[in-house]
Amino acid sequence: TQLLEQSPQFLSIQEGENLTVYCNSSSVFSSLQWYRQEPGEGPVLLVTVVTGGEVKKLKRLTFQFGDARKDSSLHITAAQPGDTGLYLCAGSLTGGGNKLTFGTGTQLKVEL
Amino acid sequence: GAVVSQHPSWVICKSGTSVKIECRSLDFQATTMFWYRQFPKQSLMLMATSNEGSKATYEQGVEKDKFLINHASLTLSTLTVTSAHPEDSSFYICSARIPTLNTIYFGEGSWLTVV
Repeated sequence: TQLLEQSPQFLSIQEGENLTVYCNSSSVFSSLQWYRQEPGEGPVLLVTVVTGGEVKKLKRLTFQFGDARKDSSLHITAAQPGDTGLYLCAGSLTGGGNKLTFGTGTQLKVEL
Repeated sequence: GAVVSQHPSWVICKSGTSVKIECRSLDFQATTMFWYRQFPKQSLMLMATSNEGSKATYEQGVEKDKFLINHASLTLSTLTVTSAHPEDSSFYICSARIPTLNTIYFGEGSWLTVV
């Protein structure tokens, strides 16, 4: 059983469209990170959220941490081909130290 | 620039041989590093936590005698895949936490192909 479930698993959209990726769990996380990974490379950190209800914006990307710190969402506005990649959420369980638990991943493809 | 570096980026080895992958923290000391395995188009699966100066902590289902981890210094952890088989072919990624930033960074990953 995966601790962090992401949806959708795959997403193919046209340039300019908006999209939202969800990361859900029944566990409470002390913090949650979002990463983007391109083929053959390591994940690159996009954002860290630590406070329930927190919203962070990074240009066209908006990240939200659920009030109960069990879920998170990533919203991309006006997607561009350069946004294509594997998006991963990862959480640190309370009392889990530095160990990250990764979500199931969302493969995004943005076409012209 | 990279804060965590892996070497080699890719390696091909014959079945039955052993191969070592290095993970280095650049410009900071990492008492803890993590090793992940990733199959194509799948998420990262934590294999083990590498602890400087002590034994690694392995996740359930990971064979500690097959995946040897050594964290001999504060900037270097190594993963050795022993008696490699084709099913060990995968993308192996390490990560380390920058204590002052409380942020985890990942290496570039290492592709292992066992033929």
